[in-house]
Amino acid sequence: RKEVEQDPGPFNVPEGATVAFNCTYSNSASQSFFWYRQDCRKEPKLLMSVYSSGNEDGRFTAQLNRASQYISLLIRDSKLSDSATYLCVVILSGAGSYQLTFGKGTKLSVIP
Amino acid sequence: GAGVSQSPRYKVAKRGQDVALRCDPISGHVSLFWYQQALGQGPEFLTYFQNEAQLDKSGLPSDRFFAERPEGSVSTLKIQRTQQEDSAVYLCASSHYGGQGQGYGYTFGSGTRLTVV
Repeated sequence: RKEVEQDPGPFNVPEGATVAFNCTYSNSASQSFFWYRQDCRKEPKLLMSVYSSGNEDGRFTAQLNRASQYISLLIRDSKLSDSATYLCVVILSGAGSYQLTFGKGTKLSVIP
Repeated sequence: GAGVSQSPRYKVAKRGQDVALRCDPISGHVSLFWYQQALGQGPEFLTYFQNEAQLDKSGLPSDRFFAERPEGSVSTLKIQRTQQEDSAVYLCASSHYGGQGQGYGYTFGSGTRLTVV
């Protein structure tokens, strides 16, 4: 079983739509959580951190449920420029806590 | 420099050939990481340096893979006797943080796309 699991998609949505991505992680010792964005043939870039209290940045909202070991990302009013792969990332506590553990990513295509 | 620089951008190697991939991190960044990203997968951790010390090489897939950062700045990832399964994008990242619990502040380079034929 992979440590971080995501629905690979692709998600094809029209402009203006709301889309939600989900991610589960297997290690309860995970301490930090992030969403990264990766454009085609580009490097991953940090989109936002994820907290139990929720984190909102404009059209993007991230949420963490520690009890269920579940992370979500909601994108409202999708733009063409949101088309990318969204990577769920966790970091373990203790030894090795500098390592980013990535999911496979969920591909989003926003269609005109 | 302004970002993490990796070279070459693309590398085609014949099976059995040795390759060397270079990473020039952001000046002053203490931590340097190498990740491997196969097609359709997320990046996977290979190795971690804090300054010139290689503190974790647990992700290196075999003894054909070797990484160094002799002066605590530029790093080289070397793959000996390349195999087809080594084909992937090799990403380097640096961070000005060091030590445990510092998953923040990563900056990735654009990667080297290695194709073994």
